[in-house]
Parts: sequence; C-alpha cells; structure tokens
Amino acid sequence: DGGITQSPKYLFRKEGQNVTLSCEQNLNHDAMYWYRQDPGQGLRLIYYSQIVNDFQKGDIAEGYSVSREKKESFPLTVTSAQKNPTAFYLCASSFIAGVSTGELFFGEGSRLTVL
Amino acid sequence: EDKVVQSPLSLVVHEGDTVTLNCSYEVTNFRSLLWYKQEKKAPTFLFMLTSSGIEKKSGRLSSILDKKELFSILNITATQTGDSAIYLCAVTTAGNKLTFGGGTRVLVKP
Repeated sequence: DGGITQSPKYLFRKEGQNVTLSCEQNLNHDAMYWYRQDPGQGLRLIYYSQIVNDFQKGDIAEGYSVSREKKESFPLTVTSAQKNPTAFYLCASSFIAGVSTGELFFGEGSRLTVL
Repeated sequence: EDKVVQSPLSLVVHEGDTVTLNCSYEVTNFRSLLWYKQEKKAPTFLFMLTSSGIEKKSGRLSSILDKKELFSILNITATQTGDSAIYLCAVTTAGNKLTFGGGTRVLVKP
C-alpha cells in the first residue's frame, strides 16, 4: 500500500540529546514537509523540500536540521539547540502540482517528549 | 514572513447550531487556500479555494474566499458531535510553501 510512514510514534529523550525522526513515502512525491504542532494549536512549518538534495527553512527552523538524500526520505533531527522540543511532529508529502490543490498526504505523526 | 491567522481559537456549540470559522492571511505570491479537519492525528482535506466569491460546498460544510480582503470563512450548519475537531486553514504560495494557521478547536455538545 502506498503511503507516508513516520517513526517512531512516541519518543522520549533527555535534555541535551539529539534525536532523529524518520519520514518515508512510497508515493513518488516530490515535495515533503515537516510541521510541529503544540497542544491545541495549529501546524508550524519547520522545513520543506521540493527536490532531492534541496530544502528550505520554514518559520521555526532553529534547532532543527533535515536532509533529503533520497526522494522517499526526509528525516528531521531535533538538536539540543531546540529550546522546547516537546511536541507532536507531522510529516507530509505531495506531488509538486498537488500542493496547491491540497492533495497533501500526512503521516500519523511522532510525539516527542523531552524529560 | 507569511502569516495565516484563524479565529476564534476555540468554540463550544450544541448540536444543530451553525458555526463560522475565520481565516485571514498575509502572504507573498498567493496560490490557494486550503481547509483541513484534524480529529486525532493526521489532518484530512476539506476544501481548496483559489477564486474569490465562489462557494465550495460539501454536505453541511461550505467555504468561500475573498482575495481582496484576504480572508476565508468555513461554515458548518446543523452541527453534529462528529464535527468536533481542530479546523486548520492553510495557504500555499509560490515555491510550494504551505503555511498553516493556528487552528480553531470546535467542540459540539449533544
């Protein structure tokens, strides 16, 4: 089945540790996105990528890093520089032409808790 | 910086009521405005709007865009408890950037 897979679903980490969240899609989508969602709030854009080996900062990129070495994969690293990393992280993907039409596919999310 | 602002932040209504959700935006190179419903984890797509004044309808939900005043509204008539969710507005701009608003949390009581 085609889809977008995020892992892990739940993750705990200690302060000062880096952690990497995985996002994989087998939909042959060009564009991929990472969003952060805090309780009861909307989605804030961290990073996005339209093609392999290229990505752009979103509105809250500080303390995060990404890579896009393969079309299918867009991992997000939450670094120790991120001051308040506890949140729900959503990955999404789309064909380039589908972005404007709302044909965005979302993963099930990863909930990160910093102890 | 692109901005998308939704109001109200939250509201509580009773079944059968009508709700109106607002979304205003200030972006560069607007392409479309999207509405999503988020119940548990992944948002699900509701509407895509690109032209002013043309209402989109799906059952009890409808939405319209005003590109002159830079806002959109989402209406839900005859609300049901299953309409309880966070409703998200998003705007796409050139370069395929997709910016979401802060969401409106709707709670429909029986």
